Order: sequence, then structure tokens, then C-alpha cells
Amino acid sequence: DQQVKQNSPSLSVQEGRISILNCDYTNSMFDYFLWYKKYPAEGPTFLISISSIKDKNEDGRFTVFLNKSAKHLSLHIVPSQPGDSAVYFCAASEGAGGTSYGKLTFGQGTILTVHP
Amino acid sequence: EPEVTQTPSHQVTQMGQEVILRCVPISNHLYFYWYRQILGQKVEFLVSFYNNEISEKSEIFDDQFSVERPDGSNFTLKIRSTKLEDSAMYFCASRGQGGEQYFGPGTRLTVT
Repeated sequence: DQQVKQNSPSLSVQEGRISILNCDYTNSMFDYFLWYKKYPAEGPTFLISISSIKDKNEDGRFTVFLNKSAKHLSLHIVPSQPGDSAVYFCAASEGAGGTSYGKLTFGQGTILTVHP
Repeated sequence: EPEVTQTPSHQVTQMGQEVILRCVPISNHLYFYWYRQILGQKVEFLVSFYNNEISEKSEIFDDQFSVERPDGSNFTLKIRSTKLEDSAMYFCASRGQGGEQYFGPGTRLTVT
């Protein structure tokens, strides 16, 4: 089951530069997408989300872009900081708002390392 | 800031034993979930719970698994007879009316 894929297992970036993490999905029923950050031995921490009616959502240093026709989303972190070093998971859901139950389907994760 | 809590942080049990993993979701949330992550693999959905009943479950969530919300605050996952392959991190999550789910720190279950 590869409905959500993160093809880059790792990414290394210099502090202050942009980090771009990518995610592809195959299920056209997905209409809500989320990014989570995870440190070892901790639970995933919600970062930012986007509904399929939008193509961009921004929150501080984090911006998520959604390209529905390509079934692709990306997370941009600008500027990157050493504290951003973690595993980043993309997740998707069908009908996550309102009364929908919204189980999440996760990608494999990308390890981001930000060097000082 | 409200957060999801889970106990214990680490549980070691012998194969065939019953375990109960506990979670306290965020207080005004209505939807509750269990996920697990086997070492080196993806985070996988197990079950969702709404209005005091299971709303959806995965193929993993077989008859050995059950969930309960025994009171207004706790949400538990029971594994009746543990197997070696149940060893994993188990995460509880909750959400309100929005789409984002908030995860607890996880319980590491080790079955020997």
C-alpha cells in the first residue's frame, strides 16, 4: 500500500537556506493533507495542513504547496534552522473535517538535517 | 497548551499476555485514534473512535484488539494475547472539528 510516498529518505540543508520536502499520493479521494515533524522517541507533532480547495497554505517559516493535478505536495521551510532537524511525515486523509472520521495515511518520512 | 498523554511510556510483556495501553486525549476533542509504527516502517492507522463506538478499523485491528473509552477522559487500547509482531510504538491521537490530529508521545510495546 503506497498511497502516500515520500521518495527522498533524507535531505541535508545548510542553516538559513530553504528546505523542500516532497510527497506524492495516488488516491484521488484524499482531500486533506498534513505535515508532521517527529523526533526520536516522541509522537508526531502537527506542523501545517492544507485542504484540497487550496493550493498554498503558509504559517510562519512553513509553507505547504498542493498540486492536485500532479497529486503532489511539498513543504518549504525558510529559513531552515538546526532545530528543524527531524523526520518529516506527509499524511493524507479523505474528508477529515466536520463529521468525517479522517484516518490518516502516512508517507515513509524524510530525515531532514540542517547543518549550522 | 493542551496535549495528548499516554501511559506507560514503555511496556514489556511476554507473548500471549494481555496489555492495556492508556491515553488521555485533549479534553474537548471528539474523535480518537490509535496508530502504530513498527521499527523502520510507516506510521499505520489501527482504529478510529467516535461517539463511543468504532467508526473505522484497519486490517491490522483484528479480534485481538479492542478499544474503550471507560470514562470521560481515558481512551484505551487492549491487546488480548500479544504476539511478537505486535512489538511497535503505539500512538494515540485526537482531533476536534478541524482536520488536524494531535498525537501523544507514544507507548513502546516490546513483546518477548
